[in-house]
Amino acid sequence: DVKVTQSSRYLVKRTGEKVFLECVQDMDHENMFWYRQDPGLGLRLIYFSYDVKMKEKGDIPEGYSVSREKKERFSLILESASTNQTSMYLCASSLRWGAEAFFGQGTRLTVV
Amino acid sequence: SQQGEEDPQALSIQEGENATMNCSYKTSINNLQWYRQNSGRGLVHLILIRSNEREKHSGRLRVTLDTSKKSSSLLITASRAADTASYFCATAGSGNTPLVFGKGTRLSVIA
Repeated sequence: DVKVTQSSRYLVKRTGEKVFLECVQDMDHENMFWYRQDPGLGLRLIYFSYDVKMKEKGDIPEGYSVSREKKERFSLILESASTNQTSMYLCASSLRWGAEAFFGQGTRLTVV
Repeated sequence: SQQGEEDPQALSIQEGENATMNCSYKTSINNLQWYRQNSGRGLVHLILIRSNEREKHSGRLRVTLDTSKKSSSLLITASRAADTASYFCATAGSGNTPLVFGKGTRLSVIA
């Protein structure tokens, strides 16, 4: 069974902290994605990666960075967490462009 | 950039009734997909329809695609309380681009 695993379901961090959200997929997928989901705004793409060490900005990259050192792992980094980054974060992967996306269970991050 | 726009935003029906959700989009697509999200969880893929297809079925799900109107609909027949969830459409463009998701329709099925 295919799987995308996010390191935490719930996370509480303080303003100014550096936060790492980890995502691992076991399907040998080329593409990986980070979205954030807020009420009334749907899913918004933060960053994506189509190969190891390759990354592209999505629609809302400000305040975030990513790392993909290995094919199976895609990390989202909040350099200095702020309260407006309180949100649900969703990681996804796909075998190729336009194919079905597989999502992790989500990380609900609260920044206080 | 959000391409898909679901309609309605929220839908409440009785168990056994059919639920219809619509999705409109703006630019040309390679395929359109529907996903389901249970409260507080990740999204799960339901069905994919290619741009050269008009209708597709999977169990109690029926999806139609009208590329001339740039719209799609998802029909869930004989709904159950367990169908209560948010449903999202996502469009795949022709190039090497990520899926673009709409804002979703929140479906409540009352037993």
